[in-house]
Amino acid sequence: GAVVSQHPSRVICKSGTSVKIECRSLDFQATTMFWYRQFPKQSLMLMATSNEGSKATYEQGVEKDKFLINHASLTLSTLTVTSAHPEDSSFYICSALIPAPDTQYFGPGTRLTVL
Amino acid sequence: GESVGLHLPTLSVQEGDNSIINCAYSNSASDYFIWYKQESGKGPQFIIDIRSNMDKRQGQRVTVLLNKTVKHLSLQIAATQPGDSAVYFCAENRYGAGTALIFGKGTTLSVSS
Repeated sequence: GAVVSQHPSRVICKSGTSVKIECRSLDFQATTMFWYRQFPKQSLMLMATSNEGSKATYEQGVEKDKFLINHASLTLSTLTVTSAHPEDSSFYICSALIPAPDTQYFGPGTRLTVL
Repeated sequence: GESVGLHLPTLSVQEGDNSIINCAYSNSASDYFIWYKQESGKGPQFIIDIRSNMDKRQGQRVTVLLNKTVKHLSLQIAATQPGDSAVYFCAENRYGAGTALIFGKGTTLSVSS
């Protein structure tokens, strides 16, 4: 149980285009999901908290107009990187929260490369 | 600022040895900790967790120890195998129940046969 999927696993796009990444909880419902990004050989940095049916909460320094998050159902959250630039190239990872005991299960990640 | 950190960025062991990976945290209010394993190009994989009302928890070949007095967390892997080679992160729920985990810097474990 507690499987989280992400799609796509890898995407290459041109600078200026937008990319949508999907995060799904496959066998449970997740009111809360989180989005992280990870640069090579670094730790995971929290970008935002995604709550079903409400606006996402962004961490300081993360542009909400650039990283659009939508959590329209209890099993799906999407992250859209708008007007992507090469510096947005990174590994994006989502997680879904199972309350009590608050365990987060992570997706396999999406490798974004912006040319 | 406060952070979850690890003592050593890398650890190299021989197959069959026991491995100990350490983590220091600074927020005494954190009450839930998790160890994750991340293989190259993949998302973090849950290994074991522990609540602050415990000081030890055992899983299959893994043990997590929590010392709240010195705010120290460790992961012990028994009979380490080549498949254990990965980056290990400790994480804490620094801001309370239902909030995102905050990750430490990670320790790269290399197991040679």
